[in-house]
Amino acid sequence: GDSVTQMEGPVTLSEEAFLTINCTYTATGYPSLFWYVQYPGEGLQLLLKATKADDKGSNKGFEATYRKETTSFHLEKGSVQVSDSAVYFCARDSGGSNYKLTFGKGTLLTVNP
Amino acid sequence: DVKVTQSSRYLVKRTGEKVFLECVQDMDHENMFWYRQDPGLGLRLIYFSYDVKMKEKGDIPEGYSVSREKKERFSLILESASTNQTSMYLCASSFSFRTGEQYFGPGTRLTVT
Repeated sequence: GDSVTQMEGPVTLSEEAFLTINCTYTATGYPSLFWYVQYPGEGLQLLLKATKADDKGSNKGFEATYRKETTSFHLEKGSVQVSDSAVYFCARDSGGSNYKLTFGKGTLLTVNP
Repeated sequence: DVKVTQSSRYLVKRTGEKVFLECVQDMDHENMFWYRQDPGLGLRLIYFSYDVKMKEKGDIPEGYSVSREKKERFSLILESASTNQTSMYLCASSFSFRTGEQYFGPGTRLTVT
């Protein structure tokens, strides 16, 4: 079935460091891919998405490219800020008319000043 | 802005009690979802609804039921609460044609003692 695997945290970085959070997905169907972010005490928010191979999603300095050949959708940011401290979830849909999103287990990012 | 609200942020109930969690969205979304979030397990889908009075089981429906009598409101019901249902419960909604772009409420932290 559908699954998403993302790197386990926690990840701790200093401000202005480069961030990569790895995410891979099972290659079933033609899914759209998503990154969600959950700030402390809040629900999840959609951060970015990509709907087909080679698409790049971007938002708030974060980027992720849909790589079909490696079934990956890694999240990157060139210079993190303290305010980026949150839990990040990679997700895929089923690529059809099904309504489900499958989430990874989440990666906790802490950015220190 | 899309707003998804949940009736309580924190709830403490006793084993065997019937528990109602309410979710309301204000964007006329067709789809609504209930997830539970547990450390190390990520988000797991309990139930979702794609229309009024329509519902489908997610990955972990056992011990739960749902009700959707109005488009904007989706209720999760724990018929007889048990300690293993202690968790964070998240509600989400989306347009039918953008299932992956889900909008989340802030969550209800339920403790069953």
